[in-house]
Amino acid sequence: GQQLNQSPQSMFIQEGEDVSMNCTSSSIFNTWLWYKQDPGEGPVLLIALYKAGELTSNGRLTAQFGITRKDSFLNISASIPSDVGIYFCAGQDLSDDKIIFGKGTRLHILP
Amino acid sequence: ETGVTQTPRHLVMGMTNKKSLKCEQHLGHNAMYWYKQSAKKPLELMFVYNFKEQTENNSVPSRFSPECPNSSHLFLHLHTLQPEDSALYLCASSQSYQETQYFGPGTRLLVL
Repeated sequence: GQQLNQSPQSMFIQEGEDVSMNCTSSSIFNTWLWYKQDPGEGPVLLIALYKAGELTSNGRLTAQFGITRKDSFLNISASIPSDVGIYFCAGQDLSDDKIIFGKGTRLHILP
Repeated sequence: ETGVTQTPRHLVMGMTNKKSLKCEQHLGHNAMYWYKQSAKKPLELMFVYNFKEQTENNSVPSRFSPECPNSSHLFLHLHTLQPEDSALYLCASSQSYQETQYFGPGTRLLVL
């Protein structure tokens, strides 16, 4: 079946540090999406990627659609306290167009 | 504000109660989704409606009954739930089926 592996599962970093997380799939995707979920809220779309190799930024966030079309990463530069939350990747499988979600990366920022 | 609203935001119900969750989207989208989010589990897709027609039902127990009267509104009717049904229920919408989804804030459900 379709699998989407997101890592790391959780991260503890100091404020001001850069963050990197990634997702890999067992099949080829034609879309990669990155969401952030704050406690008690629904996921909010951060970045959408539609072409292999695409590199897109949204403020301090940068995401890339891997050349193999089986992976994507999200980087956050100079982290701040409001970056705390759960980051989800999601991908659309080329074979059946279904969108599946990763299990999330929980980001903690130490004062 | 993502353009997708959900009510109520919190709900506590007994196992014999009947309640309904409501979702409304103001984005002009044609597809709407219900997801269940439990602790330490990935998002579980429950139902998909595209142009008011149900296109997916991912083996969801019959105690969950969706209703989509029009492209802007989606309901999830709940009856005789179990404690393990306690979770965050998220609604999402997209312009077309399987396009980028925008989520509502969710309804936190506790079944006693």
